[in-house]
Amino acid sequence: AQKVTQAQTEISVVEKEDVTLDCVYETRDTTYYLFWYKQPPSGELVFLIRRNSFDEQNEISGRYSWNFQKSTSSFNFTITASQVVDSAVYFCALKSGAGSYQLTFGKGTKLSVIP
Amino acid sequence: GAGVSQSPSNKVTEKGKDVELRCDPISGHTALYWYRQSLGQGLEFLIYFQGNSAPDKSGLPSDRFSAERTGGSVSTLTIQRTQQEDSAVYLCASSLYRLAGGNTGELFFGEGSRLTVL
Repeated sequence: AQKVTQAQTEISVVEKEDVTLDCVYETRDTTYYLFWYKQPPSGELVFLIRRNSFDEQNEISGRYSWNFQKSTSSFNFTITASQVVDSAVYFCALKSGAGSYQLTFGKGTKLSVIP
Repeated sequence: GAGVSQSPSNKVTEKGKDVELRCDPISGHTALYWYRQSLGQGLEFLIYFQGNSAPDKSGLPSDRFSAERTGGSVSTLTIQRTQQEDSAVYLCASSLYRLAGGNTGELFFGEGSRLTVL
């Protein structure tokens, strides 16, 4: 069975602080994909990133960066110099390899960035 | 717009009534998902449609729930004899399906239909 754990239910930071959202996953598959989605107050989840299990290179996109470590089954997400617009619920998700379609989502981490 | 469209955005109903929730996916997306989001519970998979294949209904919580997808496009999720525990946000998502690689996992979500059962 697959499982995604986001241990942080809610986090509050002051604007311009850095913040890391944790994600730990469980799977027996050797090929799988990891995702992060953002759900702003408007409600519509937005795709942020997808990583496959064979690529452990860290990814950076502007103020966002992702750290994938298979040794600890983690896929953490860091926002540098947070902004109020980053306030949202962030979901980590897991999908088995090609041929699979179902995403297993974590329960989400609500991030509040205080001005 | 070109995104996933869901209606109604809000629905308040009385216990025991039937409700229908509609999803219009992005044109060209053959894969369609329904998820349920309850407070503090994350996203719960309900059902998956891909092209003309038989849908995966394994996530439907009871036989009061059903869904169909007509013409490979618009989908309707029906909840019969609603109960208070059905209160949640129902999210629809669509995605591309590639013959070579299958489902990408990059889902495009609608804004959801918030259902409140009194």
